[in-house]
Amino acid sequence: DSGVTQTPKHLITATGQRVTLRCSPRSGDLSVYWYQQSLDQGLQFLIQYYNGEERAKGNILERFSAQQFPDLHSELNLSSLELGDSALYFCASSVEAGGPPDTQYFGPGTRLTVL
Amino acid sequence: AQSVAQPEDQVNVAEGNPLTVKCTYSVSGNPYLFWYVQYPNRGLQFLLKYITGDNLVKGSYGFEAEFNKSQTSFHLKKPSALVSDSALYFCAAAPFGAGSYQLTFGKGTKLSVIP
Repeated sequence: DSGVTQTPKHLITATGQRVTLRCSPRSGDLSVYWYQQSLDQGLQFLIQYYNGEERAKGNILERFSAQQFPDLHSELNLSSLELGDSALYFCASSVEAGGPPDTQYFGPGTRLTVL
Repeated sequence: AQSVAQPEDQVNVAEGNPLTVKCTYSVSGNPYLFWYVQYPNRGLQFLLKYITGDNLVKGSYGFEAEFNKSQTSFHLKKPSALVSDSALYFCAAAPFGAGSYQLTFGKGTKLSVIP
């Protein structure tokens, strides 16, 4: 158990809908990363938040957004869903106190199926 | 831009034999390199990382990796494979000095340890 929790585990929805994925980082970790894992694209970085502020953006679609709340949990919002958005979505957290990269610890993921 | 390559989609090894999972990287600056393992329907588990220092890095579950700067490689090794090592292995790199340590992953190598 990494200490990172993600809810829900599974999500089945229809095209055009909007969903919210939730992530709680390990205690003491300030940084949250979101990744998408799909068969064709592999594991891709989406977005990072650090202590409530967006720090970096990767291959994140405009239909997707995220935020990190004062208690450091994070939510990834996916809207106008398409079939191709079906994937495993992981969040990872790390301390990032400065200097070389700290280890990112991954949650169990949310499996999104868009029908 | 940085990239990580795992040249083998699948590696088969007999139980008790040594195993190697290959990884090569292309990054600017000093490389920060990681290995993660993913078991079916689970999140990614951290195995080991290279930040600086000794070229041979020891990690969890008896795994180690050798950093080779001249060959830009970071191969994962284990002296004696177990059936329970069968899983999907990912090599990853983090950018140098970018203020964000989002991981760029290879496509993964499926390791099968045959009893």
